Amino acid sequence: SQTIHQWPATLVQPVGSPLSLECTVEGTSNPNLYWYRQAAGRGLQLLFYSVGIGQISSEVPQNLSASRPQDRQFILSSKKLLLSDSGFYLCAWSVGIGQAVFGAFFGQGTRLTVV
Amino acid sequence: AQSVTQLGSHVSVSEGALVLLRCNYSSSVPPYLFWYVQYPNQGLQLLLKYTSAATLVKGINGFEAEFKKSETSFHLTKPSAHMSDAAEYFCAVSQQGGSEKLVFGKGTKLTVNP
Repeated sequence: SQTIHQWPATLVQPVGSPLSLECTVEGTSNPNLYWYRQAAGRGLQLLFYSVGIGQISSEVPQNLSASRPQDRQFILSSKKLLLSDSGFYLCAWSVGIGQAVFGAFFGQGTRLTVV
Repeated sequence: AQSVTQLGSHVSVSEGALVLLRCNYSSSVPPYLFWYVQYPNQGLQLLLKYTSAATLVKGINGFEAEFKKSETSFHLTKPSAHMSDAAEYFCAVSQQGGSEKLVFGKGTKLTVNP
């Protein structure tokens, strides 16, 4: 069966420090991968999505970047964190384009607090 | 562009009462529609999905939702609330025939009172 791993679960980082959040998927190949951010009262905002290795689409301009160095690995990064980067970050995967729609499946999330 | 509106950021019901969480969508093409549930500090779990088959969709934990094109709605219901249903619920839309990018509503927090 497919599983998605996301870590760390919680993170407290000072303003101006770098960030690296990692997400890996097991049990499937060539998944679509997503990074969402959840802020209180604002629902989930899609930050990045990827349909293949090295293919990243950014949905909103921001202080963050994403990379997909391997088929089932998705990394969210920042060179210098801002206070506004605080939030709950969720990684998700779905089957590839053109296949039956099963919806996206989410990791357990990372609670990032920038201080 | 697609969008989802969830009416009511907070809904409170008594245990055993009907649960009704409202979702209206906007999409220029036939949509796929989803309901997710999130427990505190956890990821999202798929409850059910509409993908143009039956308009009444049954999901896990006794939840169901009905797609009404004329009303552009996809409301989530459960006949009898249980304490374990207390969580936040998100409605989401994506485009048929396209990628599975999901656009989420802002969520509805469900409280179940004993």
